[in-house]
Amino acid sequence: IQMTQSPSTLSASVGDRVTITCRASQSISDWLAWYQQKPGKAPNLLIYRASTLESGVPSRFSGSGSGTEFTLTISSLQPDDFATYYCQQYASYSGYTFGRGTKLEIK
Amino acid sequence: QGQLVESGGGVVQPGRSLRLSCAASGFIFNTQAMYWVRQAPGKGLEWVASIWYDGTAKFYADSVQGRFTISRDNSRNMVYLQMNSLTSEDTALYYCARNMPLTTWGQGTLVTVSS
Repeated sequence: IQMTQSPSTLSASVGDRVTITCRASQSISDWLAWYQQKPGKAPNLLIYRASTLESGVPSRFSGSGSGTEFTLTISSLQPDDFATYYCQQYASYSGYTFGRGTKLEIK
Repeated sequence: QGQLVESGGGVVQPGRSLRLSCAASGFIFNTQAMYWVRQAPGKGLEWVASIWYDGTAKFYADSVQGRFTISRDNSRNMVYLQMNSLTSEDTALYYCARNMPLTTWGQGTLVTVSS
């Protein structure tokens, strides 16, 4: 299963609402996760089952979608949110796939 | 939440082997599937291998199938990645992680394949 994530880079300002998209090459139901990674750190799980917020993740993060189309939305960007975001499908235990990442930069 | 600590990375020549280790603590290890994920310098994340909680099932990315072997020792709370026939394409930071989706990650161990 291929995961196509867009955009690869996104420039935005504090307070902006941003959306990142992930498309699966075949239906994965809602077996989709989103991770945030900051430089020099391991990724951190934000959302699972496409729309369920991991414990401790701020409510400005939200996820939606099912089947092949998914989005991650940050409602009001905070300085701590500038990082790289990855989607990951986990529908098939024989092969998990990440998107290529979206680097969220300060405009 | 638990903790994972990887070790065993280093510089290795092409064609040689290396074994990575991951020490787990703070959770019931023998109930959790474990995973290796890698990240080449400046690149994205790539799932490498998975092993079920009891070791009875193992899965590999096509890029490492036949060269890498994942294993675990539930008596020691350890998971391993034996890497053979290494190439420059295997140069990466290797993370150990648990659960799916991946809720806990180690800090990674760097593998550099270079002559």
